[in-house]
Amino acid sequence: DAMVIQNPRYQVTQFGKPVTLSCSQTLNHNVMYWYQQKSSQAPKLLFHYYDKDFNNEADTPDNFQSRRPNTSFCFLDIRSPGLGDAAMYLCATSRAPGLAGGYEQYFGPGTRLTVT
Amino acid sequence: AQSVSQHNHHVILSEAASLELGCNYSYGGTVNLFWYVQYPGQHLQLLLKYFSGDPLVKGIKGFEAEFIKSKFSFNLRKPSVQWSDTAEYFCAVRRDGGFKTIFGAGTRLFVKA
Repeated sequence: DAMVIQNPRYQVTQFGKPVTLSCSQTLNHNVMYWYQQKSSQAPKLLFHYYDKDFNNEADTPDNFQSRRPNTSFCFLDIRSPGLGDAAMYLCATSRAPGLAGGYEQYFGPGTRLTVT
Repeated sequence: AQSVSQHNHHVILSEAASLELGCNYSYGGTVNLFWYVQYPGQHLQLLLKYFSGDPLVKGIKGFEAEFIKSKFSFNLRKPSVQWSDTAEYFCAVRRDGGFKTIFGAGTRLFVKA
């Protein structure tokens, strides 16, 4: 009964070689988020989708892009990975704000990205 | 800008000891507050949340947290920890009605059997 699924769990890519990370959800939530978490640091929000509306955080590098082809799936594209992009990438979902019962986030297991 | 500060990066306790993890945030408006837990090898899970109402919030596995608005704090407590509570704990805050959740750097708890 997995709710937020991330594939792959581990990804190795070469410096400068584009890579795509995948997230899917079975919760039918409106909002999907991508976080970057480096070792011993807090998860940091990169961007989120509210339905089809894309919302980029001001300090997210242009190297990071995202696509959401439908409600269930969301992708993180890293166009030219650098060594500094090695991290755990977390996908999360939530309902929309304002709905009864609150809208806490549900997290996937993460994809650990290594850049060689 | 919002920020979240967790007072301890590493905590080591013996089983049955009491736990209190400190969390302070900086934001002047109405906030939603969360504690998430990440057990070894597992994903982040919600431990408890505060949106409004009673500032003493009870979560899963015997955890509770108290929101003290005047102190901008949301400390996590458990009267008697178990070995299975070994995990990393993250405090998080979000502006009420917003999307962006700010996480603290986390506290790694190790409980000795």
